[in-house]
Amino acid sequence: QSVLTQPPSVSGAPGQRVTISCTGSSSNIGAGYDVHWYQHLPGTAPKLLIYGNINRPSGVPDRFSGSKSGTSASLAITGLQAEDEADYYCQSYDYRVSGPNYVFGSGTKVTVL
Amino acid sequence: QVQLVESGGGVVQPGRSLRLSCAASGFTFRNNDMHWVRQAPGKGLEWVAVIWYDGSNKYYADSVKGRFTISRDNSKNTLYLQMNSLRAEDTAVYYCARDKMGGGTGPFDYWGQGTLVTVSS
Repeated sequence: QSVLTQPPSVSGAPGQRVTISCTGSSSNIGAGYDVHWYQHLPGTAPKLLIYGNINRPSGVPDRFSGSKSGTSASLAITGLQAEDEADYYCQSYDYRVSGPNYVFGSGTKVTVL
Repeated sequence: QVQLVESGGGVVQPGRSLRLSCAASGFTFRNNDMHWVRQAPGKGLEWVAVIWYDGSNKYYADSVKGRFTISRDNSKNTLYLQMNSLRAEDTAVYYCARDKMGGGTGPFDYWGQGTLVTVSS
């Protein structure tokens, strides 16, 4: 059971816009901790897409954008391309007395129709 | 360029041990906190452990606490994960990942390709 909840799947035609939600709680996203997003193709290394809620690492197309509000965050992909078909995970930090606890979303599979 | 290469995975019986390694190159290894993250078959990503840049602090997911030990050798640019008392539910691809910021909430900006650990009798 993941601490952060994402829809299992989203789909769209090439060129369309899709969004992926990431819902947390008052102990993680709602506590003000940053949300990061990763793209993962099976059998490969996950790739950082968005960090600090809205920032794109060098080399990530501006078709990818992030936002955060309250206890949730979202990843938007505009101008959907075939190469965007992958699994996407959000990640944040969840407070616990015993020390750091990094939490991931349940993952969303993006299908390009 | 930054490279992280995991090794040491394989098939192991329940209750036995295994040690994973992650060789780092392309950056100053001693400057970054490092993590292990795993993905069980058909499941999502799960954070396993973190070690601070100088090895002074280590933290674990509740699911592995007391059984796994993370360590590093900054002179060899290598990260380790000693896994003891392995269980079937530890079966997963294990990734090492670099912490971009350190001492905070992530993110993990570079990842290895992963090494598969299968726990089965």
